[in-house]
Amino acid sequence: AQSVSQHNHHVILSEAASLELGCNYSYGGTVNLFWYVQYPGQHLQLLLKYFSGDPLVKGIKGFEAEFIKSKFSFNLRKPSVQWSDTAEYFCAVNRGAGGYNKLIFGAGTRLAVHP
Amino acid sequence: DGGITQSPKYLFRKEGQNVTLSCEQNLNHDAMYWYRQDPGQGLRLIYYSQIVNDFQKGDIAEGYSVSREKKESFPLTVTSAQKNPTAFYLCASSMAPSAGRGGELFFGEGSRLTVL
Repeated sequence: AQSVSQHNHHVILSEAASLELGCNYSYGGTVNLFWYVQYPGQHLQLLLKYFSGDPLVKGIKGFEAEFIKSKFSFNLRKPSVQWSDTAEYFCAVNRGAGGYNKLIFGAGTRLAVHP
Repeated sequence: DGGITQSPKYLFRKEGQNVTLSCEQNLNHDAMYWYRQDPGQGLRLIYYSQIVNDFQKGDIAEGYSVSREKKESFPLTVTSAQKNPTAFYLCASSMAPSAGRGGELFFGEGSRLTVL
């Protein structure tokens, strides 16, 4: 069965530190990849997405992610985090053809950024 | 403003009672979804609907039911058969995907159900 693994459940960083959140998926065919973010008290919103083309995608608020097909990975990065990045981050995958929008989500990573 | 409205935000229920969570969208999206969010487990798909009067079971449909009589509305009923109903429930919608591409999901703010 298709699955998504996020390596870290909790991450604690100081402001200005660099961030990398790992995401691996199990499906071997064409995939669409997403990172969603849930700020405290707010609804889930899209951070960035990859469908095809340049494997390095840029999202909102300075986030980027790199799709490495050979590693089945889609890691999220940010060079310098801010206190306002404190949130829960979810990686999600669906199949590129015929899979409609049935996203499979990872378990999430809670990020706490300290000033 | 376009968006997805879920109600109620908080709901308490006694064991053995059915409860219905409302989800309305004014984004003119074809597809709607219900997810359940539990700590440490991410989001799991309960039901989804691609068009009016049609819906399919997701990964954890047992103990839940849905209807899709209108494009804008996709209510979820948590029945007494659901063994562990206390959770955070998220409704989402999306446009029909273009060929070969999956689209973005737009989420509501969620409904937190607690069974006493």
